[in-house]
Amino acid sequence: AQTVTQSQPEMSVQEAETVTLSCTYDTSESDYYLFWYKQPPSRQMILVIRQEAYKQQNATENRFSVNFQKAAKSFSLKISDSQLGDAAMYFCAYRGTDRDDKIIFGKGTRLHILP
Amino acid sequence: ETGVTQTPRHLVMGMTNKKSLKCEQHLGHNAMYWYKQSAKKPLELMFVYNFKEQTENNSVPSRFSPECPNSSHLFLHLHTLQPEDSALYLCASSQVSGSYGYTFGSGTRLTVV
Repeated sequence: AQTVTQSQPEMSVQEAETVTLSCTYDTSESDYYLFWYKQPPSRQMILVIRQEAYKQQNATENRFSVNFQKAAKSFSLKISDSQLGDAAMYFCAYRGTDRDDKIIFGKGTRLHILP
Repeated sequence: ETGVTQTPRHLVMGMTNKKSLKCEQHLGHNAMYWYKQSAKKPLELMFVYNFKEQTENNSVPSRFSPECPNSSHLFLHLHTLQPEDSALYLCASSQVSGSYGYTFGSGTRLTVV
């Protein structure tokens, strides 16, 4: 069974600095999708970035980028120029490509932004 | 507008009450999900509906009863709940085989007193 592990329950970063959130996963599949979701105090889970496993190029969305290491089964999220609005719980997630595959979420990392 | 709307946003109910949570999506998705999010616990998948048919029930107690009348609407009927059922209940939708992940609603914060 696939698993997703986020080993950092909480992290803090100074505003305007860069922070990296770690995620590892376990799967025997060669093709799959990886996601980072953000859940701010407003509670809604928002998709931040997605990566297709067959693409070697790391995904980037504005200040958010990933470091996808397929062989190591690692999928870290880098947030550059951290802003107060980035404070949230961040969930790493995995989804297979089969029709009935559901998303598997990690336990989350709570990110604090220090002014 | 997020595409997935959940009502009510907050709900306080007694253990003998009956209430329902509602979820609505206008994204053309064909799968809908109920999740439970409790403090200090991982997200718990409760129910999955694909094309209006329930395809997964993760050993959820019968005091939670889902209903999916069409692919755009999902309900969670609640009765005789326990205080430990207090949590944030999140609804999500997606395409059945979704490379684009799930779209979530803002959740219903449920408190059982």
